[in-house]
Amino acid sequence: EAQVTQNPRYLITVTGKKLTVTCSQNMNHEYMSWYRQDPGLGLRQIYYSMNVEVTDKGDVPEGYKVSRKEKRNFPLILESPSPNQTSLYFCASSLGTGSDGYTFGSGTRLTVV
Amino acid sequence: SQQGEEDPQALSIQEGENATMNCSYKTSINNLQWYRQNSGRGLVHLILIRSNEREKHSGRLRVTLDTSKKSSSLLITASRAADTASYFCATDGTSGTYKYIFGTGTRLKVLA
Repeated sequence: EAQVTQNPRYLITVTGKKLTVTCSQNMNHEYMSWYRQDPGLGLRQIYYSMNVEVTDKGDVPEGYKVSRKEKRNFPLILESPSPNQTSLYFCASSLGTGSDGYTFGSGTRLTVV
Repeated sequence: SQQGEEDPQALSIQEGENATMNCSYKTSINNLQWYRQNSGRGLVHLILIRSNEREKHSGRLRVTLDTSKKSSSLLITASRAADTASYFCATDGTSGTYKYIFGTGTRLKVLA
C-alpha cells in the first residue's frame, strides 16, 4: 500500500531532550516536506526536500533540522525541544512535478513539557 | 506567510444539503489543491485544479477557480455525515519549487 509512515504517533518529552521523528515513504517520491499544525494557524511548512541531499527551509524552520540521505526517508530532528514546539506534525510527499497532490502521514502529536 | 484563506471558518449543514467553501489567495499560482482532514488525522488530497482551468469535478465535488479574483470554491453536493471534516486549500507559487502553502481551513459539520 502506498503510504507515508511517521513514527511515533504520540510523544511526550522534556525540554532540551533531543528527539527524532521519522518519516518514510514507499512511493519513490522526489519531494518530501514537514508541516506543523497549530489551532488557528493552519499548516505551516518547516522544511522541505526536492531530492536526496537537497533540503530547504520552509516558513518556520527555527529549532528544527532535517536530513535526506535516502530518497524514502526524511527525519525531523529537534535538537533541544522547547514547549513552543508542542504541536501536531505531519510529513508529506509527492512526485514533485507540481501537478500532483501530497500524500500525508498520519501525524505525530508532540508535547514538550 | 499565509497564501490561502478559507471562508467560512466553520459551516454546519443538514445531511443532503450542499456545502460550499471558498478560498482566496494573494499571489499568482500554477495550481490550487483542496484537502480534507478528519479530526487530528493526516490530510487527504481531494482535487487539484490548474491555473488554466476554470472548473473541475470529482464525484460529488466541484471546484471552481477564478484567477482574476484569486479565489476558488469547493462545492460538496448531497452532503453526508461522513463529509464532516476540515477542508483546506493549498496554493503554490509560480517559482517552480512546488512548495504549497495551506490555509487555516473550513470546519464542516454535517448533521444526520
